[in-house]
Amino acid sequence: DSGVTQTPKHLITATGQRVTLRCSPRSGDLSVYWYQQSLDQGLQFLIQYYNGEERAKGNILERFSAQQFPDLHSELNLSSLELGDSALYFCASGRGAPGTPSETQYFGPGTRLLVL
Amino acid sequence: AQSVTQLDSQVPVFEEAPVELRCNYSSSVSVYLFWYVQYPNQGLQLLLKYLSGSTLVKGINGFEAEFNKSQTSFHLRKPSVHISDTAEYFCAVSALIQGAQKLVFGQGTRLTINP
Repeated sequence: DSGVTQTPKHLITATGQRVTLRCSPRSGDLSVYWYQQSLDQGLQFLIQYYNGEERAKGNILERFSAQQFPDLHSELNLSSLELGDSALYFCASGRGAPGTPSETQYFGPGTRLLVL
Repeated sequence: AQSVTQLDSQVPVFEEAPVELRCNYSSSVSVYLFWYVQYPNQGLQLLLKYLSGSTLVKGINGFEAEFNKSQTSFHLRKPSVHISDTAEYFCAVSALIQGAQKLVFGQGTRLTINP
């Protein structure tokens, strides 16, 4: 158990819909990272937040957005869903301040999204 | 730009045999290298990491990896595998991009242990 929690575990929805994935980082961690894992793209970094502020963006679509709240939990919002958005979405957390490339990221169990 | 190539998508081995999972990286800046393991239906768990110092890094569950700068490799090894090592293994390179850490993962190697 990494200490990172994600809800829900599974999500089934239809194309065009909007969903919200939730992540709670380990106690004391200020950074939250979101990743997408799919069969064709592998593990892709989406976005990072540190202490409530966006710090880095990866391959995140404009239909996707995220935020980190004062209690440090984070939400990833996926809208206008397409079949290709079906994937496993991971959240990870870390303790280091931005600019710490040696930091270990601790991963949650993931949310499996299926778009029908 | 940073990239990681895991040379084998699948590696089948017999129980108690040694195994090596290969990883090559490309980076134009100082590298920090990681191996993560993903057991079925679970998230990623850190096995080991190389930051600096000794090129031989020991991790959990009896795994070790050797950083080879001249060959830009970071291969993962275990001298004797167990059925419980069946999982997907990801090599990753970390770099500082625009002031933030970015982890770039390889495509993964599925390790299957046969009795």
